[in-house]
Amino acid sequence: KQEVTQIPAALSVPEGENLVLNCSFTDSAIYNLQWFRQDPGKGLTSLLLIQSSQREQTSGRLNASLDKSSGRSTLYIAASQPGDSATYLCAVSNTGNQFYFGTGTSLTVIP
Amino acid sequence: ETGVTQSPTHLIKTRGQQVTLRCSSQSGHNTVSWYQQALGQGPQFIFQYYREEENGRGNFPPRFSGLQFPNYSSELNVNALELDDSALYLCASSLAFGQGNEQYFGPGTRLTVT
Repeated sequence: KQEVTQIPAALSVPEGENLVLNCSFTDSAIYNLQWFRQDPGKGLTSLLLIQSSQREQTSGRLNASLDKSSGRSTLYIAASQPGDSATYLCAVSNTGNQFYFGTGTSLTVIP
Repeated sequence: ETGVTQSPTHLIKTRGQQVTLRCSSQSGHNTVSWYQQALGQGPQFIFQYYREEENGRGNFPPRFSGLQFPNYSSELNVNALELDDSALYLCASSLAFGQGNEQYFGPGTRLTVT
């Protein structure tokens, strides 16, 4: 069974800092990997999707990389802002249907 | 293009009762997945429906059941509610095997079982 781990569980940084969130998974035979943002009590907002044949994806200040062989992905956030404060979740799918989620990294950006 | 919608937003039920949660998929999507998210945890996959058929199921008991309709909207039914069923229930739609099967989530239904 796929196991997804996210480190750190919580992170607090001053505004303007660049930061990296980590995601690791146990089964490298993945179909795709998706990063999400979740605000308290809300649904999930898709940030970036990386298909198994890709190494990275970028959207604005966000860059996600994927290293399938080592079972790792990172989400890089440049020039962090208070509005980036949320929980960030990583999810992987081996078959294209069932997604396995980590428990998330809770990010606080201090003004 | 309309996003994924879910109803109701909040629900309070008593142990032993039954509940039905509803989800309307994003326009053009033919696949709906349901997830349960307990407080402080990541979402857990319940099942997925593709063209009105179940297309994968997670480790949930049979009292969790679902339906998908011809317009690709979906229902999640939970019978004999237990206290541990209290959670945020999330619905996600996607275009099966297209665009990398990117999942788009609704706002969720918060279920409290007392």
